[in-house]
Amino acid sequence: DTEVTQTPKHLVMGMTNKKSLKCEQHMGHRAMYWYKQKAKKPPELMFVYSYEKLSINESVPSRFSPECPNSSLLNLHLHALQPEDSALYLCASSQEGQGVGVQYFGPGTRLTVT
Amino acid sequence: EDQVTQSPEALRLQEGESSSLNCSYTVSGLRGLFWYRQDPGKGPEFLFTLYSAGEEKEKERLKATLTKKESFLHITAPKPEDSATYLCAVQEGGGFKTIFGAGTRLFVKA
Repeated sequence: DTEVTQTPKHLVMGMTNKKSLKCEQHMGHRAMYWYKQKAKKPPELMFVYSYEKLSINESVPSRFSPECPNSSLLNLHLHALQPEDSALYLCASSQEGQGVGVQYFGPGTRLTVT
Repeated sequence: EDQVTQSPEALRLQEGESSSLNCSYTVSGLRGLFWYRQDPGKGPEFLFTLYSAGEEKEKERLKATLTKKESFLHITAPKPEDSATYLCAVQEGGGFKTIFGAGTRLFVKA
């Protein structure tokens, strides 16, 4: 089973709201990722967690705050977002740590900031 | 600077018309090259991993090949259900980042 689940599927939030995206995998993978994808563009890496520790932060604005409570769960906390943050947010995981190897993606959360 | 370039940006084929998608890359040392398929509004779906020049992988109508500077995804006798965006991604030997190309949008008409 190579399933990564993400909730919610869709999210509409105002610029003053606080919300969270959730990602879960039960494959025993040791690395988990957040990507942002705009329409007709490739996924852009935001964060990488390796063995539950943040190993890559691609200079993402502080209004995005990642959290890895355990080896199966990854959250992305959102606060004071801008309309340009509207995008598909993808979570992925890979078996190897250090961000190496095949990444398995979830279905994504479609975020709209109004 | 590490780069991944895919061509063409879009490809329109008739059902049964075979063709190839190209992914050229510039990295300091290739750890692995990946092909993904992405349907609109969904996450990328893993297709193949290639590690060294000369390697080939096949799955149904798809065949991926790798040279020292590029990879090809060959589609034989495509069907309308093969319509999707095909993404190429590379991981370099010294770093932990995956670099994605912009993708090729494939349209197969019945």
